[in-house]
Amino acid sequence: AQSVTQLGSHVSVSEGALVLLRCNYSSSVPPYLFWYVQYPNQGLQLLLKYTSAATLVKGINGFEAEFKKSETSFHLTKPSAHMSDAAEYFCAVSVRDYKLSFGAGTTVTVRA
Amino acid sequence: NAGVTQTPKFRVLKTGQSMTLLCAQDMNHEYMYWYRQDPGMGLRLIHYSVGEGTTAKGEVPDGYNVSRLKKQNFLLGLESAAPSQTSVYFCASSYFPTVNNEQFFGPGTRLTVL
Repeated sequence: AQSVTQLGSHVSVSEGALVLLRCNYSSSVPPYLFWYVQYPNQGLQLLLKYTSAATLVKGINGFEAEFKKSETSFHLTKPSAHMSDAAEYFCAVSVRDYKLSFGAGTTVTVRA
Repeated sequence: NAGVTQTPKFRVLKTGQSMTLLCAQDMNHEYMYWYRQDPGMGLRLIHYSVGEGTTAKGEVPDGYNVSRLKKQNFLLGLESAAPSQTSVYFCASSYFPTVNNEQFFGPGTRLTVL
């Protein structure tokens, strides 16, 4: 069975600073990996996904993530935080079936 | 396209009451899912459906039932609500067949059981 661990339930960054959200997965087969974002009182929206085409994946709103098989990681980054990035972020994994396993989520706050 | 919609947006129940949450999608997706979201636990899969007329249990199915009589609709029922079912419920859908399993989410239903 696959699982996802997100390190840090809360991250606070200054506007303009690097955003780094950590995600590690466990899977016995090559996984598909996803990052979703949830803005307050809204549903989840896909930021980006890894499907084995390229290890560095670019998503919406300037986010990107790098798949590192040796570290079983899929960390999410954004070079320069904006106030609008304040949200909760979820990492999720799928192993070629139709179900997703989600991490516990990381809440990002952005300081002016 | 409205995407995935959920009805109602908010609901307060008393212990023992029943209710049905409705999920509708207009993207002709085969797969539909019901999740619950609780603080610090991410989203957990309650039930899912791989097509009209089919349903299956997810990670936390106890206390819930589902039906998929029409392809576009997926209903989640609570027969006898308990305070432990206070949560935010999300419906999602995805294409079939696809290997990358992108799921599209509704806006959620916030349920409080007193």
